[in-house]
Amino acid sequence: DTAVSQTPKYLVTQMGNDKSIKCEQNLGHDTMYWYKQDSKKFLKIMFSYNNKELIINETVPNRFSPKSPDKAHLNLHINSLELGDSAVYFCASSFGLAPDNEQFFGPGTRLTVL
Amino acid sequence: LAKTTQPISMDSYEGQEVNITCSHNNIATNDYITWYQQFPSQGPRFIIQGYKTKVTNEVASLFIPADRKSSTLSLPRVSLSDTAVYYCLVGAAMNRDDKIIFGKGTRLHILP
Repeated sequence: DTAVSQTPKYLVTQMGNDKSIKCEQNLGHDTMYWYKQDSKKFLKIMFSYNNKELIINETVPNRFSPKSPDKAHLNLHINSLELGDSAVYFCASSFGLAPDNEQFFGPGTRLTVL
Repeated sequence: LAKTTQPISMDSYEGQEVNITCSHNNIATNDYITWYQQFPSQGPRFIIQGYKTKVTNEVASLFIPADRKSSTLSLPRVSLSDTAVYYCLVGAAMNRDDKIIFGKGTRLHILP
């Protein structure tokens, strides 16, 4: 009964490729997020969706495009992958907006760009 | 979003009480203070949240002084499994210009 799930868990790819990471939550939450955690362990928010509407879009290259087909899903598509994109990407969800409301995080997707 | 400052790392021993302090001098009136725990290769997990005074749950206590410019996460009788990174998060969703910033966190290492 995974609350927030991500696929794949590991992703190894070449520079220049396009890849997607999928996220699903079964908690009935209305807000979902994507975070990036780099090698220095900084955890930075990238995007936030509330009821399928984009509400936070941090300074992220436009090669990154989130897509929310419904409230339970928030996918991340990355075009033209670069070495600097290597990181762990976490999806999260909450009932109501963070930081007021508890966020539930997925297990992460470790992306390695070669 | 109020900027936070935490110690980079802390060591303690099993059975001890551990206190991790977070400084947030420019906290806004409507900001909440939230702590998360992250184990290696896992996503962060919510520990506790407070606004003022003291909050206690089955895992930890959160002490917030009257001026709210700092907060202290208290973990009673830690065990080896409490080794993790602890993040202090300060802000409010109503402040739409705020960014959700987890910061560098405090790496807590529990020794046997």
